[in-house]
Amino acid sequence: ETVMTQSPATLPVSLGERATLSCGASQSVSSDLAWYQQKPGQAPRLLIYGASTRATGIPARFSGSGSGTEFTLTISSLQSEDFAVYYCQQYNSWPQTFGHGTKVEIK
Amino acid sequence: QVQLVESGGGVVQPGKSLSLSCAVSGFTLSSYGMHWVRQAPGKGLEWVAVVWYDGSNKYYADSVKGRLTISRDISKNTLYLQMSSLRAEDTAVYYCARDPNALGSPYYYMDVWGKGTTVTVSS
Repeated sequence: ETVMTQSPATLPVSLGERATLSCGASQSVSSDLAWYQQKPGQAPRLLIYGASTRATGIPARFSGSGSGTEFTLTISSLQSEDFAVYYCQQYNSWPQTFGHGTKVEIK
Repeated sequence: QVQLVESGGGVVQPGKSLSLSCAVSGFTLSSYGMHWVRQAPGKGLEWVAVVWYDGSNKYYADSVKGRLTISRDISKNTLYLQMSSLRAEDTAVYYCARDPNALGSPYYYMDVWGKGTTVTVSS
């Protein structure tokens, strides 16, 4: 099983600042990586797939990069609605696995 | 408008059974693979099961194999998760979610999610 490791666990960020979230895979997942946003009491929302392709309706301030075992989600200028937990998921190998999440909180 | 609405959650004793439903609108189940994903209290996401768009294949996480069964009723455009021999560790919010690949083998990520239904296994 491919283990996904996200860092940091919690990321304090001020409004308007850049947030950089990391996701590492225990083995190469090529570009088969997705990012989700989850707010309290809500379902996850797909942000990024294919490591760098924004899902429909996702603002341009969200960007994804990386391939192989190292990936990054960047939020260029944090808005109030962006405070949430972010999960990465690999879908390259069985079983598809999620990271434990990074909570982006107000600094 | 694409929408997924789960129902059927509740409190159930260990060893008992429960059936979850996911009513789908805005697309047809015969065109998309569908997943169940769960989230234990305060924990991350865990993929549970998938059914292919044509119903030809169903796969399960090792943690639920033999106890949980995914199925669907095309005429009702509804996805199901039949849960038996429930354990305390099955306590979670259960989400149904759509695979984005229409009329093909699943990509195994999820582009549309329901709001979830809560299952609590406790005596």
